Amino acid sequence: DVKVTQSSRYLVKRTGEKVFLECVQDMDHENMFWYRQDPGLGLRLIYFSYDVKMKEKGDIPEGYSVSREKKERFSLILESASTNQTSMYLCASSFGAGSLGNQPQHFGDGTRLSIL
Amino acid sequence: DQQVKQNSPSLSVQEGRISILNCDYTNSMFDYFLWYKKYPAEGPTFLISISSIKDKNEDGRFTVFLNKSAKHLSLHIVPSQPGDSAVYFCAASAFSGTYKYIFGTGTRLKVLA
Repeated sequence: DVKVTQSSRYLVKRTGEKVFLECVQDMDHENMFWYRQDPGLGLRLIYFSYDVKMKEKGDIPEGYSVSREKKERFSLILESASTNQTSMYLCASSFGAGSLGNQPQHFGDGTRLSIL
Repeated sequence: DQQVKQNSPSLSVQEGRISILNCDYTNSMFDYFLWYKKYPAEGPTFLISISSIKDKNEDGRFTVFLNKSAKHLSLHIVPSQPGDSAVYFCAASAFSGTYKYIFGTGTRLKVLA
């Protein structure tokens, strides 16, 4: 079974802090994604990566950056946390464009981040 | 602009009856659709998918129907069970070099025992 592990289930930080959310997958997936989930808004894509050191902006990248130094690890960085970044953050991974057909994404269990 | 819409935020169904969850989309370039199920405090799990070249895909109690002319898909669960109570998300993709999905806002299904 695919395992996507997010480093923290719950995190509380203060405004202005630099926050790191870590995600590791064990299935050698090329693609990795960061979403946030908010009530009434569903899952919104922040950033994704289709290869090591490659990244692309999703729909709501403002205030975030990412890092992918190794294939299995994808980090989301809140450069200067603000209260409107309080949310559930979900990491996902999938096989890449070279695989046969579309591939579903496999999700971690999420990090509930509160910014005070 | 919401390209994938789930207009019903919640749905309640009696155990044993059929649950029908609906999803509408606006982008005619979408060629692959998925349904995910999400329990509280867990990440979404993949349930079933359908390619745009098909109009139906079935997996056990779950069937997804695609109506391309109406830009509409639906998930049927028969018979519904209390363990099906969860939030269901539909997602769509248009291949552009990588598999990037756009998710709907979700429908919370409650199956009553």
